[in-house]
Amino acid sequence: ETGVTQTPRHLVMGMTNKKSLKCEQHLGHNAMYWYKQSAKKPLELMFVYNFKEQTENNSVPSRFSPECPNSSHLFLHLHTLQPEDSALYLCASSQDSGGANEQFFGPGTRLTVL
Amino acid sequence: GQNIDQPTEMTATEGAIVQINCTYQTSGFNGLFWYQQHAGEAPTFLSYNVLDGLEEKGRFSSFLSRSKGYSYLLLKELQMKDSASYLCAVMDSNYQLIWGAGTKLIIKP
Repeated sequence: ETGVTQTPRHLVMGMTNKKSLKCEQHLGHNAMYWYKQSAKKPLELMFVYNFKEQTENNSVPSRFSPECPNSSHLFLHLHTLQPEDSALYLCASSQDSGGANEQFFGPGTRLTVL
Repeated sequence: GQNIDQPTEMTATEGAIVQINCTYQTSGFNGLFWYQQHAGEAPTFLSYNVLDGLEEKGRFSSFLSRSKGYSYLLLKELQMKDSASYLCAVMDSNYQLIWGAGTKLIIKP
């Protein structure tokens, strides 16, 4: 595998379910990001991890819980979501988060909350 | 507040040239990125400008004017595969990317 991979690609869940999104990067990067992309809206940065430490949490509701066990893996744990959380969730990585570095994106998880 | 503006949608003809504009107001500036995103796919990096002027890369060029808070992406010799959304993003003083909503480019034969 090369680049940034995400699983699952599609997820449908009810408001009472618990699920997790997984992201893996094979680029040797030290920073990883979660973004939310809704139709016709700018990408919204959710979380940033640099060298496994969370450096940014952009006022994301607690029903989204990130986990970064190492620099190559990033998870987003989901519980008691709302229909308005339906969106494309993109993972990205970069060399580190403290410089003007290009971000490499995964293909995203298309999430639908019923 | 921080703001990135770009047109929502543009239409152009195969073989022609199109210019996608982006204006920004951000807290600090550490460069401007353009990404391409085909429907259902990941955004992919096109260009990065941090100094004023034009950067050319094959059929694609990107221009920056920091004093005007303005950039454009120029696509030449348009091909059908160029149909995609083009995202403008500015890196602010905290090295966070502030994104525009994207410009959907439709190429007609």
